[in-house]
Amino acid sequence: KAGVTQTPRYLIKTRGQQVTLSCSPISGHRSVSWYQQTPGQGLQFLFEYFSETQRNKGNFPGRFSGRQFSNSRSEMNVSTLELGDSALYLCASSFYPGQGIYEQYFGPGTRLTVT
Amino acid sequence: DAKTTQPNSMESNEEEPVHLPCNHSTISGTDYIHWYRQLPSQGPEYVIHGLTSNVNNRMASLAIAEDRKSSTLILHRATLRDAAVYYCILRRTLQGGSEKLVFGKGTKLTVNP
Repeated sequence: KAGVTQTPRYLIKTRGQQVTLSCSPISGHRSVSWYQQTPGQGLQFLFEYFSETQRNKGNFPGRFSGRQFSNSRSEMNVSTLELGDSALYLCASSFYPGQGIYEQYFGPGTRLTVT
Repeated sequence: DAKTTQPNSMESNEEEPVHLPCNHSTISGTDYIHWYRQLPSQGPEYVIHGLTSNVNNRMASLAIAEDRKSSTLILHRATLRDAAVYYCILRRTLQGGSEKLVFGKGTKLTVNP
């Protein structure tokens, strides 16, 4: 079965622009989470979606947003890009969120560079 | 706020056991302890999780202190393929069923041949 796929894998943007990243979860998985990974801060949770609803959100500014479609595919958007937004953005999927779910499957990530 | 603390790096020799510590002194009674690892140029992958009792699976063992304020991931015989960054994570279920995930900065494990 295919794993979590993320597109694009690499992206270069300029300060002030906006960007949309895409994530396709494993078939049958309905929960999608997004993370930001930087050398200084490590892995930080952005938000989680289940059944097209945001269930949980990390401590990121409103410039970071996301959505989930009826087929469970998810997108995240960053508006007004800043240099500090340069990071690896990881998507993870699981069947359901909540108790009893112990394993998330991560995609390879999208490397965003802001210049 | 909940927080996990891990050493920045550890080193081991191949075929030897490795004990990776994690402190989570602000853990609450319903927080699960998860471990993931991230190999170079890959997304993190699940290793093991537990609540109160020690846990074993094919990849590793998880030893949880009686007061749950710390835990240790044990790799019984390190191989070169175990070289990765290991993350200790608290998974807290909030009212309404949503979850808050608290990550450590991770421990970079180097395995020497």
